[in-house]
Amino acid sequence: AQKITQTQPGMFVQEKEAVTLDCTYDTSDPSYGLFWYKQPSSGEMIFLIYQGSYDQQNATEGRYSLNFQKARKSANLVISASQLGDSAMYFCAMREGHTNAGKSTFGDGTTLTVKP
Amino acid sequence: DVKVTQSSRYLVKRTGEKVFLECVQDMDHENMFWYRQDPGLGLRLIYFSYDVKMKEKGDIPEGYSVSREKKERFSLILESASTNQTSMYLCASSPGQTNTGELFFGEGSRLTVL
Repeated sequence: AQKITQTQPGMFVQEKEAVTLDCTYDTSDPSYGLFWYKQPSSGEMIFLIYQGSYDQQNATEGRYSLNFQKARKSANLVISASQLGDSAMYFCAMREGHTNAGKSTFGDGTTLTVKP
Repeated sequence: DVKVTQSSRYLVKRTGEKVFLECVQDMDHENMFWYRQDPGLGLRLIYFSYDVKMKEKGDIPEGYSVSREKKERFSLILESASTNQTSMYLCASSPGQTNTGELFFGEGSRLTVL
């Protein structure tokens, strides 16, 4: 079974509007971390935001927020006030365990296109 | 500025050739990783290393080997390249002691095997 599922291969959003990218995960480990990365057309993956399984509040980083619903095993990325530079591929990832630093499983990605 | 550097952005090799992909990080990170990225398949872990001279298989190690002789350098080796190894290869690193474990990536190496 896939550990990380991103059901939206492609998404479109109008500039200045908000957009939600979906991510569901599957793990039996009580300790895990969830990440979102951005990959522009240049190719380099950029870390955006992190949510720990024990974190009580949803993570936020500037215009990025992570809508963490633990019971539903979902970790959706919300981008507010979209900009043209947000057009990129976005990956959801999960690290299981608290000692396995960095070994992450990735979803298939969602391509976001921001329209002017 | 912290950096993960991959030696080649683009490579074209022939079937059967031995291929070396080099990755160097300047952040003194303990952990280093090699992923391959294919359309519709996301990133898949090939090998990783938590320390010098140490390596562990990831999800798709077949056809690959790695070397980590120095902390800052992690090499991916294709002993005999095949066309199904045409892909984008991403190197990443992360610190050993971390609350999160986010990865720092290089720019990627796009390999074409003819």
